[in-house]
Amino acid sequence: GAVVSQHPSWVICKSGTSVKIECRSLDFQATTMFWYRQFPKQSLMLMATSNEGSKATYEQGVEKDKFLINHASLTLSTLTVTSAHPEDSSFYICSARLDTHNEQFFGPGTRLTVL
Amino acid sequence: QQPVQSPQAVILREGEDAVINCSSSKALYSVHWYRQKHGEAPVFLMILLKGGEQKGHDKISASFNEKKQQSSLYLTASQLSYSGTYFCGTGHTGRRALTFGSGTRLQVQP
Repeated sequence: GAVVSQHPSWVICKSGTSVKIECRSLDFQATTMFWYRQFPKQSLMLMATSNEGSKATYEQGVEKDKFLINHASLTLSTLTVTSAHPEDSSFYICSARLDTHNEQFFGPGTRLTVL
Repeated sequence: QQPVQSPQAVILREGEDAVINCSSSKALYSVHWYRQKHGEAPVFLMILLKGGEQKGHDKISASFNEKKQQSSLYLTASQLSYSGTYFCGTGHTGRRALTFGSGTRLQVQP
């Protein structure tokens, strides 16, 4: 149990385009999901908390207009990187919170490369 | 504020033991341990919710000292598959998100 999927696994796009990443909890419902980015050999940096049915909560320094988050159902959150630039290239990982036990389970991650 | 993990890196021979520490400057509600292999997402190991709690699975166990605001992860009789980066994530009252430490890189050699 507690499986989280992400799609796509990797994406290469041109500068200026938008990229959408999906995060799904496959066997449980998650009112809260989280989006992280991770640079090589570094820790997980929280970008935002995705709340089902309401607006996401962004961490300080994260542009909400650039990183659009939608949590339309209890099993799906999406992150859209708008007008992507090479500096947005990173490993993006989502996690879903199991409400009853406070555990978080991570998706497999999406590697974004912006040319 | 990010919890502090120590050591930053450790190299072991198969069968040796290791301890990874996680220390927070803020009061802890919970401590979560993960292992991440290169190019993959972190995998959940265990969660500790109560001060004094200890948990284990196979030869990996952890303790939570609420008063000292720290947790330790114990790996005994290490196996090659234990190699990876270990992260602690700390939970704090009033905040749903975890705050992750900088990680401890563990390498187990034959």
